[in-house]
Amino acid sequence: SAVISQKPSRDICQRGTSLTIQCQVDSQVTMMFWYRQQPGQSLTLIATANQGSEATYESGFVIDKFPISRPNLTFSTLTVSNMSPEDSSIYLCSVEDQGQGRNYGYTFGSGTRLTVV
Amino acid sequence: QKEVEQNSGPLSVPEGAIASLNCTYSDRGSQSFFWYRQYSGKSPELIMSIYSNGDKEDGRFTAQLNKASQYVSLLIRDSQPSDSATYLCAVNIGGADGLTFGKGTHLIIQP
Repeated sequence: SAVISQKPSRDICQRGTSLTIQCQVDSQVTMMFWYRQQPGQSLTLIATANQGSEATYESGFVIDKFPISRPNLTFSTLTVSNMSPEDSSIYLCSVEDQGQGRNYGYTFGSGTRLTVV
Repeated sequence: QKEVEQNSGPLSVPEGAIASLNCTYSDRGSQSFFWYRQYSGKSPELIMSIYSNGDKEDGRFTAQLNKASQYVSLLIRDSQPSDSATYLCAVNIGGADGLTFGKGTHLIIQP
C-alpha cells in the first residue's frame, strides 16, 4: 500500500491565521482525499483533489475556507484559512490503493492535530 | 444523502470471545465496504475490505456483506486486549468518491 508523509503532525494556532498541511505520497496517485475528524467524532470528507483540476468539495465545505493545491501526482496541500476554535480537529489526507485497476482500500496519513486558540 | 450507521458502544467483550460489530448504510449504489481500526490519537488502519455479498476471512477477522439488507459486519475471533480500539465502518460508491464513515464503535476487550 501507499506510504503517506503528512506534516505538520500538530500545531497550535491563533484565531484568524491560516495553516497549510502537506501530504507527500511515495507513488503517483490520481486522487487525494482530505478528511476532518472533530474531537470524539468520526471522519468527514472535506474534498477530493485531482492533479490539474480544481478540488471537489463536499457539502458544508468551501474553497475559500479550505483551499487545496495539487501540483503533481504525489503531493497535495490543504490550507485551513481564517481559523476559529471550531476548526480545532485532526485533518487527514488519504489515497486509494490500487493495483491492476482494482481497489484495495484507502491509506491515511498520520494526521495533523490542529488546536486553534 | 449518504449515511453509515454504527452503534457507538462501548461494546465490552471478554478476552478470547468473539466480538461482533455491525453497520448499515443508506446508499444502494455503494460498491466497496471497509472496516478500519483506530487507536486513540492515531490515524485509521485498514482491517478488512469487502466488495461482494458473503463472507471474507482474514486471520481472526471475518467481514460479512449483505447488499440486499444494506448491512456489513465484522467478527473478531479470539479477541485480544490489543483489539481494544474504535472500529470505523466506511463505504464508497465508487469512482472519484472518497469514503463515508460511520461514527465508529468503541470496542473494549476485557482481560
